[in-house]
Amino acid sequence: AQRVTQPEKLLSVFKGAPVELKCNYSYSGSPELFWYVQYSRQRLQLLLRHISRESIKGFTADLNKGETSFHLKKPFAQEEDSAMYYCALKGGGGNKLTFGTGTQLKVEL
Amino acid sequence: NAGVTQTPKFQVLKTGQSMTLQCAQDMNHEYMSWYRQDPGMGLRLIHYSVGAGITDQGEVPNGYNVSRSTTEDFPLRLLSAAPSQTSVYFCASSYSGAGNYGYTFGSGTRLTVV
Repeated sequence: AQRVTQPEKLLSVFKGAPVELKCNYSYSGSPELFWYVQYSRQRLQLLLRHISRESIKGFTADLNKGETSFHLKKPFAQEEDSAMYYCALKGGGGNKLTFGTGTQLKVEL
Repeated sequence: NAGVTQTPKFQVLKTGQSMTLQCAQDMNHEYMSWYRQDPGMGLRLIHYSVGAGITDQGEVPNGYNVSRSTTEDFPLRLLSAAPSQTSVYFCASSYSGAGNYGYTFGSGTRLTVV
């Protein structure tokens, strides 16, 4: 069985502070991992894919297979980063995505 | 491109009523799925389809039916609505196969069952 764990329901940081949203996964195969973002009452949008090793809106995420983690990081938080962030894992056949429970990021001035 | 279109955006049902949530995509995606989003529980997979004529159950399928007669459409049917089905429902689609494709989500349907 595959599982995604996001231990923090809410993360509050001040503007300009570093951000780290934690994501741990459990999967027996080779994982494909994603971060999705949902701004207030909007649709979910793809933020990052681990295979792309890209930086979007200043966010990066590195897959650490030894620690089974895919934490999302940003060196300096901005007010517009306030949103719900979901970590997701694709596996188990087909294109099924398993989501974590999400972390609400609140950036305070 | 419209992407993934969901209708209606809001719906209130009485317990026992039935209804269909519509989902359509214009990206020729093979894979489509339905999730429900509940506070503290993230997104949970209800049903999914890997192509026209093929559907399968996800994590929480009870009380819901789906069909996939065309590549574009993937409606979700609530057979007899219950208050426990009060939720926000999202439809998503993607290409199948290798390539680490992400999902494209619809804007959601906020359903209240009273």
